[in-house]
Amino acid sequence: RKEVEQDPGPFNVPEGATVAFNCTYSNSASQSFFWYRQDCRKEPKLLMSVYSSGNEDGRFTAQLNRASQYISLLIRDSKLSDSATYLCVVGGLTGGGNKLTFGTGTQLKVEL
Amino acid sequence: NAGVTQTPKFRVLKTGQSMTLLCAQDMNHEYMYWYRQDPGMGLRLIHYSVGEGTTAKGEVPDGYNVSRLKKQNFLLGLESAAPSQTSVYFCASSYPAGGLDEQFFGPGTRLTVL
Repeated sequence: RKEVEQDPGPFNVPEGATVAFNCTYSNSASQSFFWYRQDCRKEPKLLMSVYSSGNEDGRFTAQLNRASQYISLLIRDSKLSDSATYLCVVGGLTGGGNKLTFGTGTQLKVEL
Repeated sequence: NAGVTQTPKFRVLKTGQSMTLLCAQDMNHEYMYWYRQDPGMGLRLIHYSVGEGTTAKGEVPDGYNVSRLKKQNFLLGLESAAPSQTSVYFCASSYPAGGLDEQFFGPGTRLTVL
């Protein structure tokens, strides 16, 4: 089982739609959670951190369910510029120390 | 601030050749990392460093060596390149929050080994 699992997509949605991405993680001792965004052939960039109480940043809402080891990202009113790959990232003790583990990403394509 | 920079951006090697990838950061971060990204595999940690003069193995260290002689620089070496090392290589750095904090990435190096 992968440490961080995501549906690879692609998710093709019309502009203005609401889309949700899910992610599960296997390490119950994980301590930090993030969503990163990666544009084609570019480096990953932090979209938002994910907190236990849930958090919102404009059109983006992230939720964390520690009991189910599940993270979600909701994007409302999708824009063409939201087209990218979204990486679920989990931080915790693995092997020799604390590390971030990256999911393989979910691809989003927003269309006219 | 330039953030995290990587040199070179692209490189083509023949099997058996060697090369060094340079990563530099100007954010005074203690932690630095080297990842490779392959289709369908996600980012995989090659080596990392928690401070100047220290390095440690990540998930896929075989065939690579690293050095952190200066806090701002982290070098990744391929002594004898193999086609399996064709990949996109990303360097990252972070604050010393025990390795659990946000990482800042460089623009990547696209390496092809023939």
